[in-house]
Amino acid sequence: GQSLEQPSEVTAVEGAIVQINCTYQTSGFYGLSWYQQHDGGAPTFLSYNGLDGLEETGRFSSFLSRSDSYGYLLLQELQMKDSASYFCAVRGGKAGTALIFGKGTTLSVSS
Amino acid sequence: GAVVSQHPSWVICKSGTSVKIECRSLDFQATTMFWYRQFPKQSLMLMATSNEGSKATYEQGVEKDKFLINHASLTLSTLTVTSAHPEDSSFYICSADQGTAGELFFGEGSRLTVL
Repeated sequence: GQSLEQPSEVTAVEGAIVQINCTYQTSGFYGLSWYQQHDGGAPTFLSYNGLDGLEETGRFSSFLSRSDSYGYLLLQELQMKDSASYFCAVRGGKAGTALIFGKGTTLSVSS
Repeated sequence: GAVVSQHPSWVICKSGTSVKIECRSLDFQATTMFWYRQFPKQSLMLMATSNEGSKATYEQGVEKDKFLINHASLTLSTLTVTSAHPEDSSFYICSADQGTAGELFFGEGSRLTVL
């Protein structure tokens, strides 16, 4: 089977740094992605790691360790608008295979 | 990034009727499209993989006769919920594969409410 584990909820204050971890067990692996979803909206792409290491995009960074089947999303300088659900997702194969999503982490940012 | 359009965004229907949801890739050809369903406060669950010109592949537990998927062209896939019932009320989201290893592009989603 395939499973992705991530914390269900995280709370933080504006300006803080938050790390959302994701561990996965999948039959195949072609990269770890992160998506953000606000209430009532569609998921929006944040980052993709195909190889080990850190990818940085503005305030967001994502890390992957394939040997540990582990990755994380790091959100810096948190803003109220970052309050949303964050999903890690894995593609089990190359193009033509679907993303399998984790259960999602609800991030609440307070002032 | 690539654009995927989904229509309608909202639909309310009576129990027993059928509803069609369209998913279009606007600026690229998508050999493969995926259909997901999301219940409130839950994750996105893959329903089926849709390949242009062939039958869709359904995930275990998804009724293929209830959720009809057609992928007649490289830019359009449709999901028809047949004989809808209140338990089919959900957020349905499509995504399209541009053929690269990274990002999948998602439509805006369609919220179905069955009365």
